Amino acid sequence: NAGVTQTPKFQVLKTGQSMTLQCAQDMNHEYMSWYRQDPGMGLRLIHYSVGAGITDQGEVPNGYNVSRSTTEDFPLRLLSAAPSQTSVYFCASLTTGAEQFFGPGTRLTVL
Amino acid sequence: ELKVEQNPLFLSMQEGKNYTIYCNYSTTSDRLYWYRQDPGKSLESLFVLLSNGAVKQEGRLMASLDTKARLSTLHITAAVHDLSATYFCAVWGNQFYFGTGTSLTVIP
Repeated sequence: NAGVTQTPKFQVLKTGQSMTLQCAQDMNHEYMSWYRQDPGMGLRLIHYSVGAGITDQGEVPNGYNVSRSTTEDFPLRLLSAAPSQTSVYFCASLTTGAEQFFGPGTRLTVL
Repeated sequence: ELKVEQNPLFLSMQEGKNYTIYCNYSTTSDRLYWYRQDPGKSLESLFVLLSNGAVKQEGRLMASLDTKARLSTLHITAAVHDLSATYFCAVWGNQFYFGTGTSLTVIP
């Protein structure tokens, strides 16, 4: 199993550009989530999904969209990037045994 | 909204010493997680505590959960340099809520 994979590893955007952060898992986990990590603030939940076709907002959803068309993939879309979205983004999936596995992260800079 | 507080935020300790990191949370939950993060890396799962009184140990780390007090502890025994990292607790309340982390530095 590859676990949870994320692409790209690094990305630089200009203000107003849009992009999609990719996340995939090959463990057949139903629950997947996206977090952002900022210095001194721990991880904050952006969106999560409890299964294909079902998504919900977390603590900081503004400026981000998600969809879940398959169990494996959970992409995060930035609609119009802003400097405040400069952060490290982690995708994670949850096993039926309640253990959460994280992807390697995407470091995003918005100029 | 569930609030999670960790303390201390920063911890510098000498090798061989013992210390405890505390994680308090604001509303009822029976699922508590501890993670480790090295600089520039992702989060690594350390412990999943699923019931009141749960205790788990791995090497020099031991975690416990008191759901009545809404408190979890991560105890470090005889610290070594390799334990230097940031440690996060997270609480499940229909979604995950993370503490702000404890940055641990073990000094030789």
